[in-house]
Amino acid sequence: TQLLEQSPQFLSIQEGENLTVYCNSSSVFSSLQWYRQEPGEGPVLLVTVVTGGEVKKLKRLTFQFGDARKDSSLHITAAQPGDTGLYLCAGATSGTYKYIFGTGTRLKVLA
Amino acid sequence: NAGVTQTPKFRVLKTGQSMTLLCAQDMNHEYMYWYRQDPGMGLRLIHYSVGEGTTAKGEVPDGYNVSRLKKQNFLLGLESAAPSQTSVYFCASRLYGTGRSYEQYFGPGTRLTVT
Repeated sequence: TQLLEQSPQFLSIQEGENLTVYCNSSSVFSSLQWYRQEPGEGPVLLVTVVTGGEVKKLKRLTFQFGDARKDSSLHITAAQPGDTGLYLCAGATSGTYKYIFGTGTRLKVLA
Repeated sequence: NAGVTQTPKFRVLKTGQSMTLLCAQDMNHEYMYWYRQDPGMGLRLIHYSVGEGTTAKGEVPDGYNVSRLKKQNFLLGLESAAPSQTSVYFCASRLYGTGRSYEQYFGPGTRLTVT
């Protein structure tokens, strides 16, 4: 069974601080996606990374895919209260249309 | 476009009762998915469909059945509800193909409680 472990599970920080969320697996993925989910809503895609070592930036969010395509990280610079939410990573294996979701990181940014 | 819609939004069932959750998408997507979300466990795939008339099992299919009679609709059925099926259920859809960048579009979820 493929597993995606996310850490930390919970994170509460002050506005303006930096943070990193990790997504790790023993399996190789052909692509990895990051989603953010607000309370009472479905997840919304933030980014997809597909190449080992790839780094993508989305304003204050930086996403990295590990060289071996088994892990990924999400770094947020100068967090804001609007970043509060549940962050989920999801990996796809080659040639499939199914995704394995991580356990999630619940982030709270205090003003 | 409404995107992905789910009905109902909330439901309370007694153990042993049956119900059907409806997912509809207006984006002409081929692939559709049903997930459940439980605290501390992320989303787990129940069943999925790669086209009209086809369905397949995901990670946690036991106790659920699905049907995809029309391309835009994907139904999830619980024949005899159990308390372990208390969860939030999400439907998602995406474009056809094994392309690595395809985004899943999620519905707003159905919160189901089985007492």
